[in-house]
Amino acid sequence: DSGVTQTPKHLITATGQRVTLRCSPRSGDLSVYWYQQSLDQGLQFLIQYYNGEERAKGNILERFSAQQFPDLHSELNLSSLELGDSALYFCASSVEGEMADTQYFGPGTRLTVL
Amino acid sequence: AQSVAQPEDQVNVAEGNPLTVKCTYSVSGNPYLFWYVQYPNRGLQFLLKYITGDNLVKGSYGFEAEFNKSQTSFHLKKPSALVSDSALYFCAVRDIPAEVTFGTGTKLQVIP
Repeated sequence: DSGVTQTPKHLITATGQRVTLRCSPRSGDLSVYWYQQSLDQGLQFLIQYYNGEERAKGNILERFSAQQFPDLHSELNLSSLELGDSALYFCASSVEGEMADTQYFGPGTRLTVL
Repeated sequence: AQSVAQPEDQVNVAEGNPLTVKCTYSVSGNPYLFWYVQYPNRGLQFLLKYITGDNLVKGSYGFEAEFNKSQTSFHLKKPSALVSDSALYFCAVRDIPAEVTFGTGTKLQVIP
């Protein structure tokens, strides 16, 4: 158990809908990362937050957004969902968010868009 | 832009034999390199990382990795494979601040 929690574990929804994925980092970690894992794209970095502020952006679609709250938990919002958004979404956390930091991953949320 | 390649989709090894999972990288500066393992329906678990210093890095579960700057490689090794090592292994590199690039993953199958 990494100490990173994600809810829900599974989410099934329809195209065009909007969902919110939630992540709680390890105690003491200030930085949160979001990743998407799919069969055709592999593991893709989406976005990173550090202490409430956006620090880096990867291959995140405009339909997707995220934020980190004062209690350091983070939410990833996915809107206007398409079939291709079906994937595993992982959250990871690290102490400072620096390059040498180890990231600890949560168990993931499996999103299925029908 | 940084990149990482795992040339083998799958590696098969007999239990008790040494194993190697290959990784090569491309960065513009000094690399920060990581290995993670993913078991079915689980998140990624950290194994080891190279930041600087000794080229041989020791990690969790008896794994180690050798950093080779001239060959831009960071191969994962274990002297004696266990059936329980069967999983999906990811190499990752971090060069540009904050962004991590993962390889496509290598499925390790340890045969009893």
